[in-house]
This record gives sequence, structure tokens and C-alpha cells, in this order.
Amino acid sequence: GAGVSQTPSNKVTEKGKYVELRCDPISGHTALYWYRQSLGQGPEFLIYFQGTGAADDSGLPNDRFFAVRPEGSVSTLKIQRTERGDSAVYLCASSLTGGLAGAGGELFFGEGSRLTVL
Amino acid sequence: AQKITQTQPGMFVQEKEAVTLDCTYDTSDQSYGLFWYKQPSSGEMIFLIYQGSYDEQNATEGRYSLNFQKARKSANLVISASQLGDSAMYFCAQGAGFGNEKLTFGTGTRLTIIP
Repeated sequence: GAGVSQTPSNKVTEKGKYVELRCDPISGHTALYWYRQSLGQGPEFLIYFQGTGAADDSGLPNDRFFAVRPEGSVSTLKIQRTERGDSAVYLCASSLTGGLAGAGGELFFGEGSRLTVL
Repeated sequence: AQKITQTQPGMFVQEKEAVTLDCTYDTSDQSYGLFWYKQPSSGEMIFLIYQGSYDEQNATEGRYSLNFQKARKSANLVISASQLGDSAMYFCAQGAGFGNEKLTFGTGTRLTIIP
């Protein structure tokens, strides 16, 4: 389809395991964002990419979280040594240029990857 | 730091009536933007409407309008002529000024439209 695609849609893992979540943005979108949404909360910003580079990673909670976008399209969010508190829906969004608003700035979100850490 | 407050965890509205969803924000930024997103049960966030802090007129997009009261730091969403398909979670969010790509979201309001 033409929208933002996230895989897997659901992931159940055990505490301490390593997890990768993938985001395939809309073709041609240079800006890519990761958010985390815990139960009953609004999304929380994790990281923003412009092209291949992480322009703002101030929302990553600690060094167990890392994200890459090596070719400026697909992005992978990597979580090491998962903890039960990492359980949440991880949302990816893309926009044509960034800027959050105006021409090219509108964010398009995927349906998220639900991570459950047992 | 920004903070968004949505005080209505849930609302029930009769179909075809108008509904107002409340949002207040707290920021020290001079330039900022306010956004509303809809999240249906499928999970994706759908952009509805945007208001810039220097915009003098309230934003409108079809059945959606944003009642922006800057002095009160209020950015309420008004949906006119509600439809069954409007049932969803609604989130208010704030973005800081130019160059800042981070949105701060509120906790949301669950809107249920009653036939």
C-alpha cells in the first residue's frame, strides 16, 4: 500500500531479549519519526530522522534504545535487554520534508507495533 | 517544557450534534503550533487540523474547527454535525517553533457517537 508500514504488528518477547521493530515510510518522505504510546497515554517522542541522520534523539529513554535509517528510507528501532516497562505500542510516522505543518510537513502514521515484554 | 492537558477522558454525543473537545497547553515558547489527531481502533494517528501561534484566525478543515484562545492557552477542537465514524480517541498536541520536530501529546479524549 501507499501508507507507512510497520512490522511486526505484534511482538511478544521475554525480559532481557533483543527486539527490532521496522518502519517502511511513504516513498519519497525524507522525515521519519518514532513515538512510543503506553496504555492510556498519548504518544511520546523518541527520535527524528532527516534523511539518514538522526537529527533529534532526545526522546530515547536510555542507551538500550537505538534507531537507524541507513539508506534514508526504512528505519529500524532496536531495543536491547528488554524490560517489562518497554511494553507499549511503537508508532512510526513520516512526512515529505519535516516541519510538522504546512506543505510537506503533515505527519502520516503507521498502525504501530505492539510490544509486550513478559 | 511543554505540557498538554485534556480533561475529558470520555465523551458521549448524539449523532448530528456538535461536540467540543477541550485542550489547554503550557509553554514558554513564543512560536509554536497546535495540532489535533484522531486515533481510531486500528491505531494509526490521523492528522485533523493545525493552528499556528501567530495565526489570527481560527483554523478550519471541513467539519473540524479549532477554537484558539491564546491568552487562555486553550485550543479546543469543535466537530460539527458529528457522524458515527467520528467515534475514536482524539489527541491534542503541541509542536515547538521552527526547527523543532517534536510533538508533545495530551492523554486523549475517547469520543463515542450515539446513533
